[in-house]
Amino acid sequence: DIQMTQSPSSLSASARDRVTITCRASESINSYLNWYQQKPGKAPNLLIYAASSLQSGVPSRFSGSGSGTDFTLTISSLQPEDFATYYCQQSYSIPRTFGQGTRVEIK
Amino acid sequence: EVHLVESGGGLVQPGGSLRLSCAASGFTFTSYNMNWVRQAPGKGLEWVSYISSSGRTIYYADSVKGRFTISRDNAKNSLYLQMNTLRAEDTAVYYCARDRNWNSLDNWGQGILVTVSS
Repeated sequence: DIQMTQSPSSLSASARDRVTITCRASESINSYLNWYQQKPGKAPNLLIYAASSLQSGVPSRFSGSGSGTDFTLTISSLQPEDFATYYCQQSYSIPRTFGQGTRVEIK
Repeated sequence: EVHLVESGGGLVQPGGSLRLSCAASGFTFTSYNMNWVRQAPGKGLEWVSYISSSGRTIYYADSVKGRFTISRDNAKNSLYLQMNTLRAEDTAVYYCARDRNWNSLDNWGQGILVTVSS
């Protein structure tokens, strides 16, 4: 199975900060990397697919980059509604594993 | 608008069975592959199972293989997860999710809680 490791596990940031979350795969997954946002008590919401493609309806302050084993999710200017937990997921092979999540909290 | 609604959850004893359903609307269900994903209380997301649009291709996580069965009824726009021999560690919110570009999960249901406890 491909292991997905996110860092950091949590971070504290202020509104308008630039935030970067990284995700590393245990082997190459090409660009089959997706990012989701989840708020408490809600279902996850797809932000980025194929490592860098912005899902329809997602604000442009979210961006993704990377290929192979190393990937990054960037929020260019953190908004109050962005405080949530973020998960990466590889969709290259079965099982489609998720990272452990990164909780973004208010500083 | 895409709508996915899970049902069938609840409290079940260890070793028991439960069948989850996911009713789909707002899109051509027969054209999409589907998945089940779960989340144990306070934990991260775990992919559980996948079924192709035709139902001919199916995959499972090792943690549920041999105990869970995914299926679909395209005439009823419905996805199912038959869960047998349930264990305490199967306690989670179960989500159905639509497979889309590059196998990403672009639409999710609201989730349904399954609690396995005596």
